[in-house]
Amino acid sequence: AQSVSQHNHHVILSEAASLELGCNYSYGGTVNLFWYVQYPGQHLQLLLKYFSGDPLVKGIKGFEAEFIKSKFSFNLRKPSVQWSDTAEYFCAVNAGDSSYKLIFGSGTRLLVRP
Amino acid sequence: DTEVTQTPKHLVMGMTNKKSLKCEQHMGHRAMYWYKQKAKKPPELMFVYSYEKLSINESVPSRFSPECPNSSLLNLHLHALQPEDSALYLCASSQVIGVGNQPQHFGDGTRLSIL
Repeated sequence: AQSVSQHNHHVILSEAASLELGCNYSYGGTVNLFWYVQYPGQHLQLLLKYFSGDPLVKGIKGFEAEFIKSKFSFNLRKPSVQWSDTAEYFCAVNAGDSSYKLIFGSGTRLLVRP
Repeated sequence: DTEVTQTPKHLVMGMTNKKSLKCEQHMGHRAMYWYKQKAKKPPELMFVYSYEKLSINESVPSRFSPECPNSSLLNLHLHALQPEDSALYLCASSQVIGVGNQPQHFGDGTRLSIL
């Protein structure tokens, strides 16, 4: 079965620090990959997505992610975080014949200290 | 603000009650979804509607009954729920089902508590 792993459950950073959140998935075929963010008390919002083409994807709010097919990874990065980036981040995969289904990772809670 | 509207935002109900959750979108999307999200867990898919027809039921107990009266509305009827059904229920929509037609747009959710 397809699965998504986010190894960092909690991350605490100071403002201006660089961020990298790991995401690995298990599926050998074509995948679509997503990062969603959930700010406290708000709905899930799409940060960025990868369908095909350039494996380095740029999203909103200065986030980017790199798809590395050989590593089955889609890590999220931001060069300099802000206090307002405090949120929960979910990696999600849509793959194969279950193309209707988004499979989410367990999420990473990011706390940015001012 | 999200383009997917869910009501109510909060719902407390007893195990014998019947209630409904509502979801509305006006983006012209033809795929709509119900997810369940327990605390500190990722969303888990429950149902998928495509062109107002139920396409996917992820082995959800019959005490949850979805309904799609038209292309903009999605309901989730609740009856005889259990305390373990307490969770955040999320509605989402996308243009259509299928690879390449994601992403899904999510509502704020209904926080459901079963007494």
